[in-house]
Amino acid sequence: EVQLLESGGGLVHPGGSLRLSCAASGFTFSNYAMSWVRQAPGKGLEWVSAISNSGGSTYFADSVKGRFTISRDYSKNTLYLQMNSLRAEDTAVYYCAKAVMHQRLDYWGQGALVTVSS
Amino acid sequence: QSVLTQPPSVSAAPGQKVTISCSGSSSNIGNNYVSWYQQLPGTAPKLLIYDNNKRPSGIPDRFSGSKSGTSATLGITGLQTGDEADYYCGTWDSSLSGVVFGGGTKLTVL
Repeated sequence: EVQLLESGGGLVHPGGSLRLSCAASGFTFSNYAMSWVRQAPGKGLEWVSAISNSGGSTYFADSVKGRFTISRDYSKNTLYLQMNSLRAEDTAVYYCAKAVMHQRLDYWGQGALVTVSS
Repeated sequence: QSVLTQPPSVSAAPGQKVTISCSGSSSNIGNNYVSWYQQLPGTAPKLLIYDNNKRPSGIPDRFSGSKSGTSATLGITGLQTGDEADYYCGTWDSSLSGVVFGGGTKLTVL
């Protein structure tokens, strides 16, 4: 059974940093691309970032480019999202998702809430 | 403003049929597969349709998908109160090099 478990969310001040983790199990982690998607309170889904199965290619939404980095650790089957220079508009529930060719997000985690506020 | 355009809301009576449209461009829907996601209140999104018209295991055949040119459509027949949810279309955008979603459509089963 595929499981994705996010952690690392919380309250952070504007300008601060936070690292989200997503522990994956139930599939061969190195065979699949992964994505982060966020959802601000009462709003729709916004894709944030993606990483290829090899880790060699990364992609970012313009809204986070230069502030967020994505990485993965194959020894721990874990996906990361390092978020720097956080802004109030980054407040959202962040979901990690298993991807098939980046086009299909077939499994999603339960989400981690990130609140950016002074 | 979302890259893909969906109606904000649709509604229909139990047992009826509803369709949700998703409009894009040649850089996304026109040249990539479309997926549809269902988000029940307070839960994470779930894949409903992939590769334009395929259903993952466990998704009933009341749900269907189609694509024509730069538009896609989700169809739901035999509506049930449990289908009340937000529905999102999504795909890869080759120009943006990223995943794009529609703004979401709230389905109300009256």
